[in-house]
Amino acid sequence: EPEVTQTPSHQVTQMGQEVILRCVPISNHLYFYWYRQILGQKVEFLVSFYNNEISEKSEIFDDQFSVERPDGSNFTLKIRSTKLEDSAMYFCASSVLRDSLQDGYTFGSGTRLTVV
Amino acid sequence: QKEVEQNSGPLSVPEGAIASLNCTYSDRGSQSFFWYRQYSGKSPELIMSIYSNGDKEDGRFTAQLNKASQYVSLLIRDSQPSDSATYLCALRSSNYQLIWGAGTKLIIKP
Repeated sequence: EPEVTQTPSHQVTQMGQEVILRCVPISNHLYFYWYRQILGQKVEFLVSFYNNEISEKSEIFDDQFSVERPDGSNFTLKIRSTKLEDSAMYFCASSVLRDSLQDGYTFGSGTRLTVV
Repeated sequence: QKEVEQNSGPLSVPEGAIASLNCTYSDRGSQSFFWYRQYSGKSPELIMSIYSNGDKEDGRFTAQLNKASQYVSLLIRDSQPSDSATYLCALRSSNYQLIWGAGTKLIIKP
């Protein structure tokens, strides 16, 4: 079964450093997403991406965050100048459509980001 | 504020019994609803989606949707210890984001 692949599985970084989280969505999917989940809290939407541009973003996705699709397969989330409160699990997801009534999104296994 | 509410649990159910998980939501315009299962430290895994009022069955799982009362439920028949996990209810909002509940922790006791 097709998978969304995320690397690394765990990243430890010092406060103020930049990190790049990587994702390889399912090959025939057109919409890509980043969600995060702080330990013990709800999953939160960060951003959606379609046709090489951001289609929606949440209030969390401020100027320290950016996304890009540098080639035909990778989808990256960059966090500039990380803060302690950025520590969370970051999930990448993809979908064929964004408005299918019955299809949910396929999630990757996640990257656990720890900012120290 | 669009919200999805779930009882955090834990909900303890004997093996072989029916587990019933509930979710309420505030956005009447929501059309698609999803149940995800999440094991500790893992990513959400889609179990079922539902968008029409009534019941939808898939194996041991039945999702129920009542748009008038704004609730969604998930029934798990013949519960197994491997069903022990946190169950997340989510809806797709009008701007296509998934809005998530905090999840209900389910424990199946052998």
